[in-house]
Amino acid sequence: AQKVTQAQTEISVVEKEDVTLDCVYETRDTTYYLFWYKQPPSGELVFLIRRNSFDEQNEISGRYSWNFQKSTSSFNFTITASQVVDSAVYFCALSEQGRAGANNLFFGTGTRLTVIP
Amino acid sequence: IAGITQAPTSQILAAGRRMTLRCTQDMRHNAMYWYRQDLGLGLRLIHYSNTAGTTGKGEVPDGYSVSRANTDDFPLTLASAVPSQTSVYFCASSAGTAAKNIQYFGAGTRLSVL
Repeated sequence: AQKVTQAQTEISVVEKEDVTLDCVYETRDTTYYLFWYKQPPSGELVFLIRRNSFDEQNEISGRYSWNFQKSTSSFNFTITASQVVDSAVYFCALSEQGRAGANNLFFGTGTRLTVIP
Repeated sequence: IAGITQAPTSQILAAGRRMTLRCTQDMRHNAMYWYRQDLGLGLRLIHYSNTAGTTGKGEVPDGYSVSRANTDDFPLTLASAVPSQTSVYFCASSAGTAAKNIQYFGAGTRLSVL
C-alpha cells in the first residue's frame, strides 16, 4: 500500500493565484515525520519543510504555508500568490521513527505545478 | 558550497556493461542513501549506509551494490546494466539515522541503458 499519496498529478494555475497541493499519508507509527521537497526543472531536490507527528501547528514561511491534520492524515501545502519560479514538481515524504535499519523516506509520486505568467 | 556531488550528470550505457555512479558529500554526515526516481513512482530507496563501513538494502536493491569505505563517499555500482535500470539516480545524506533527520540530495545522475 502506498504510504504517501499525492492524488494531484499535475496542476496549472495563473500567476498570483493561490494553490494547494494535497498529501495524504498512512502509517501505524505514533512518531513520524513529514517532509516536502521541491524539484525545479533543473532537477535537484530541495528540502522545504519537516513536521513531526506531535506538532499540529500550521506553519507559514513567506508565501508558503503547511496544514497538518492528524485526524485526516493529511499534510497539505499552500502557495499564496503563486509565481512562475514556483513551477516545479513537489514531493511529500514520510519517515517512521519505529522503522529498523534505514531512515527510509517514503515519497509520494509528486505533483507537477505549472504557474502560467 | 557544501553539499553532495554526484558524477556523472548523465550517461548512456549499453546493456550488460558495468557502471559506477559516484557520490561525495562534504558535510561529514553519517548516513547516506541512494534512490532512483521513475515517472509515476516517486523516489525509491535502493541502498543505504548508516555509517562508514556498513551498508544495507532498501526497497529495490536487486542489480545494485554499494560500498562505504569512508564517511564522504558512497558509490553505487550496476554490475551488468539492464534497460529497466534506466532512471534518475539521487544520492542523499543525513546527519544521523533517526527519522527526524533531514535528507539532503545531490543533483542526480540521469542514466539510460540501451
